[in-house]
Amino acid sequence: QVQLQQSGPGLVKPSQTLSLTCAISGDSVSSKSAAWSWIRQSPSRGLEWLGRTYYRSKWYNEYALSVKSRITINPDTSKNQFSLRLNSVTPEDTAVYYCARGQGWVDVWGQGTTVTVSS
Amino acid sequence: QSVLTQPPSASGTPGQRVSISCSGSSPNIGSDYVHWYQQLPGTAPKVLIYRNNQRPSGVSDRFSGSKSGTSASLAISGLRSEDEAEYYCAAWDASLSGWLFGGGTRLTVL
Repeated sequence: QVQLQQSGPGLVKPSQTLSLTCAISGDSVSSKSAAWSWIRQSPSRGLEWLGRTYYRSKWYNEYALSVKSRITINPDTSKNQFSLRLNSVTPEDTAVYYCARGQGWVDVWGQGTTVTVSS
Repeated sequence: QSVLTQPPSASGTPGQRVSISCSGSSPNIGSDYVHWYQQLPGTAPKVLIYRNNQRPSGVSDRFSGSKSGTSASLAISGLRSEDEAEYYCAAWDASLSGWLFGGGTRLTVL
């Protein structure tokens, strides 16, 4: 059974960097049939896909246009996990952040991390 | 405002059949699969329907999905109180190269 365990701070100051990690058990971040995404949810923006990383003989990253200039998603094969970094955050980035597995659709979700951007 | 449009709310009485619509456009629903998720309060979404009309194992056959052109719908038959939840459609958008979600439909069982 595949499980995703998220970790990271729940409070980030404006203009700083939001960093979250998602540890994978029961699958591999290097799987050639999976993709690893970050998705967030807020009352104002609903569910919003932020981006994904996946391996198909080489690593690929795809990012949502809304955050493309500020986001980095990195795989860590040594720890079988992947991470999210979102730079220059504002209160608009306050949301519940989920990591997720899915190539065509999301079939496994992390538990969610509530991140508040506030001074 | 979501690119995939869902009604904000739907309701029905126990035993009834309800449908939830999802309207998109050519680069998303018109050219790729639609997936449906159910979200109970305080939990992560869970996939109900994938690839327009496929149910994962463990999902009741009371849930069904369909797609036509640039629209899709989720039908729930034999409505039960435990079906009260938020429902979201999703599709890949080829022009944006990213996943899109609908705004969600809150289902109330009266």
